[in-house]
Amino acid sequence: DGGITQSPKYLFRKEGQNVTLSCEQNLNHDAMYWYRQDPGQGLRLIYYSQIVNDFQKGDIAEGYSVSREKKESFPLTVTSAQKNPTAFYLCASSTQAMNTEAFFGQGTRLTVV
Amino acid sequence: GENVGLHLPTLSVQEGDNSIINCAYSNSASDYFIWYKQESGKGPQFIIDIRSNMDKRQGQRVTVLLNKTVKHLSLQIAATQPGDSAVYFCAENEAAGNKLTFGGGTRVLVKP
Repeated sequence: DGGITQSPKYLFRKEGQNVTLSCEQNLNHDAMYWYRQDPGQGLRLIYYSQIVNDFQKGDIAEGYSVSREKKESFPLTVTSAQKNPTAFYLCASSTQAMNTEAFFGQGTRLTVV
Repeated sequence: GENVGLHLPTLSVQEGDNSIINCAYSNSASDYFIWYKQESGKGPQFIIDIRSNMDKRQGQRVTVLLNKTVKHLSLQIAATQPGDSAVYFCAENEAAGNKLTFGGGTRVLVKP
């Protein structure tokens, strides 16, 4: 089945450790996105990539890093520099065609203790 | 910076009644708008979209209205059902950057 997969669903890390969240899609989409969602809040854009080997900072990129070495993969690393990393992280993808919807994964809930 | 925002954070509606969720946007360059539904602990799901050359679009039990003059977007849900209880987000896309920006969300609670 085609879709976008995030893993793991739940992730626990100790403060000060870097952690990488996985996002894979087999929809042949060029564009991929990472959003952060805090309880009772909306989605805030962390990073996005419109094509392989290229990505841009979103609204809250500080403390995060990404790579886009393959079209189907867009991993997000939450670094120790991120002051409040505990959140729900959502990955999405879309075609490069203008005015098309983004498809979302089911999210990874990261808890830093 | 320019962003998308919502007027009502929580909406309680009686089962069977119609729901209206509002959204204001300020980026005049946005030309594509989407409504998403998010259930607890899950990723957002597409409901309906509308392009800036339209002012109304209908789906199954849902209608999106776009008023470009006042930069306002609304989602109407007809005959609201318990399964409609969720958080609803509007999102805008500026074609030049192909970057999807979300509003703050409205929680819809359907009372039986």
